[in-house]
Amino acid sequence: QSALTQPASVSGSPGQSITISCTGTSSDVGGYNYVSWYQQHPGKAPKLMIYDVSNRPSGVSNRFSGSKSGNTASLTISGLQAEDEADYYCSSYTSSSTYVVFGGGTKLTVL
Amino acid sequence: EVQLVQSGAEVKKPGESLSISCKGSGYSFTNYWIGWVRQMPGKGLEWMGIIYPGDSETKYSPSFQGQVTFSVDKSISTAYLQWSSLKASDTAMYYCARDKGNSGWGPFDYWGQGTLVTVSS
Repeated sequence: QSALTQPASVSGSPGQSITISCTGTSSDVGGYNYVSWYQQHPGKAPKLMIYDVSNRPSGVSNRFSGSKSGNTASLTISGLQAEDEADYYCSSYTSSSTYVVFGGGTKLTVL
Repeated sequence: EVQLVQSGAEVKKPGESLSISCKGSGYSFTNYWIGWVRQMPGKGLEWMGIIYPGDSETKYSPSFQGQVTFSVDKSISTAYLQWSSLKASDTAMYYCARDKGNSGWGPFDYWGQGTLVTVSS
């Protein structure tokens, strides 16, 4: 069982918006602004999409945005495109001895 | 251009030792933490730990403490992940990644292509 809880799957049609949640505790997501989101296509290495809750690395589309409320962080993808179909993982710093925890991952299907 | 290039796939028997590598280029290798991430077949990402090439300071996840060893060779900008006695449960894809900040807690902004380790008798 992963330390951060994500829905196993979400889906949406092209052009729509979807949101993926990532729920932790006050020891990780809720206590620090060190939440990141990664996109992973099948057979590929993960790619950083959002860091420090809501910052986008250079080159990442502004269709991707992040936010946090309490112990839950969220990744929103607007204007869904076929290429967005992938697995998405959240991660957070944690004050436990684990240092960093990942969510279990969410499979995004673009219908 | 920042790149992390990992060594090739490995097939090993239980009990054997193994070292896989991650060579950085395009940036000052000694100034950024390097992390290791495991992905077992069909599963999610697991944070194994990090190493700071500048002074070889390491931080291990409790799940991997004592099971693996991180090291670096600054002279060739290469980080290593080592096992002294592999188990079948070590079968996974292993990624190295560069920490974007200076804390070691991520995020990981550049990733290697992954090294597939298969342990089978």
